[in-house]
Amino acid sequence: KAGVTQTPRYLIKTRGQQVTLSCSPISGHRSVSWYQQTPGQGLQFLFEYFSETQRNKGNFPGRFSGRQFSNSRSEMNVSTLELGDSALYLCASSPGSPGVITEAFFGQGTRLTVV
Amino acid sequence: AQSVTQLGSHVSVSEGALVLLRCNYSSSVPPYLFWYVQYPNQGLQLLLKYTTGATLVKGINGFEAEFKKSETSFHLTKPSAHMSDAAEYFCAVTSSGGSNYKLTFGKGTLLTVNP
Repeated sequence: KAGVTQTPRYLIKTRGQQVTLSCSPISGHRSVSWYQQTPGQGLQFLFEYFSETQRNKGNFPGRFSGRQFSNSRSEMNVSTLELGDSALYLCASSPGSPGVITEAFFGQGTRLTVV
Repeated sequence: AQSVTQLGSHVSVSEGALVLLRCNYSSSVPPYLFWYVQYPNQGLQLLLKYTTGATLVKGINGFEAEFKKSETSFHLTKPSAHMSDAAEYFCAVTSSGGSNYKLTFGKGTLLTVNP
């Protein structure tokens, strides 16, 4: 069974630009979550999607947005990039059935550098 | 709100020695607890999880953890450290209340294994 696939692995962008990151979950998983990892703040929850609907959102500005497609693939977008957005962005997938907690499987991440 | 505290941002052990990584959580509802490991430039890999039932949980690579409700702890142990255990370890908590998946992570503990 293929794991969680994130593309691209590495990305360099300039301040003010926007960026789109992609995540393909494990086949059959309907929940996709996104996390930002930085040395200073650690791992922080961005948002979670289940069946194309955002179920939960973390404390990030509106510049951070996401969506999920009918095949469960997800994208996150960051507009008007700032230097502080440089981070490892991790995607996690899980079956996501409401009220049922199982483990989340993580992708290898996308390393975003803003210059 | 939930929170996780990992005592010790850096733990150093000798090969063959006991590994003990500490995790304390705060949760107003029954928690679900996880330990993840991260190798450099990689995503997170699940070591073990506690959802319900047996409080002593065994995971991969010889790791185990014990859920102690009275102490709000979920410490990770391994009887004998191996060089390949050198990595960063994260404790995380979530709950069945509300939406899944929103993991709250600790700041991480970097494990160094000395030959």
